[in-house]
Amino acid sequence: SQTIHQWPATLVQPVGSPLSLECTVEGTSNPNLYWYRQAAGRGLQLLFYSVGIGQISSEVPQNLSASRPQDRQFILSSKKLLLSDSGFYLCAWSDEAGGNTEAFFGQGTRLTVV
Amino acid sequence: QQPVQSPQAVILREGEDAVINCSSSKALYSVHWYRQKHGEAPVFLMILLKGGEQKGHDKISASFNEKKQQSSLYLTASQLSYSGTYFCGTEQYSGAGSYQLTFGKGTKLSVIP
Repeated sequence: SQTIHQWPATLVQPVGSPLSLECTVEGTSNPNLYWYRQAAGRGLQLLFYSVGIGQISSEVPQNLSASRPQDRQFILSSKKLLLSDSGFYLCAWSDEAGGNTEAFFGQGTRLTVV
Repeated sequence: QQPVQSPQAVILREGEDAVINCSSSKALYSVHWYRQKHGEAPVFLMILLKGGEQKGHDKISASFNEKKQQSSLYLTASQLSYSGTYFCGTEQYSGAGSYQLTFGKGTKLSVIP
């Protein structure tokens, strides 16, 4: 069966510090991978999605970046965090065939930038 | 393009019904519905693919209109466990056979005794 791991669960970081959130998927190959951010009252905002190794599409201009060094590994990074980066970050995957399949979410990372 | 959800929030008493709407200005490939409990990851409810489709399980069902621009989620005889934020997600073709999944801002549903 497929599983998705996301860590850490919570993180408190000072403004200007770097960030690295990691997400890995097991039990499937060549999944579509997503990073979402959820801020209060703003729903699930799509940040990045990837259809393959090294293929990253950015949806929102920001100081965040994403990388996919391996087929089932998706990393969200920042060189310098801003206060506005605080939120609940969710990684998700769906079948590579695309369309008509559900997305499976990790348990999320609650990031607080202080 | 982010789908538009309404209402933003709704409060129900146990046993009452609710409808949550999701709309887009363009025809959608599909629409997803998820429910998220506070502090947890969203959980999949259902996907609709075809115009005019209706599906559901237990007392939660959804419809997709003929033009595939609007979907509604129906919660009947609500239970306390239905509380949470409901998101509709829409898939858009992004080229090379891939689809990106974009969500609305969510509808917060609170069921009270």
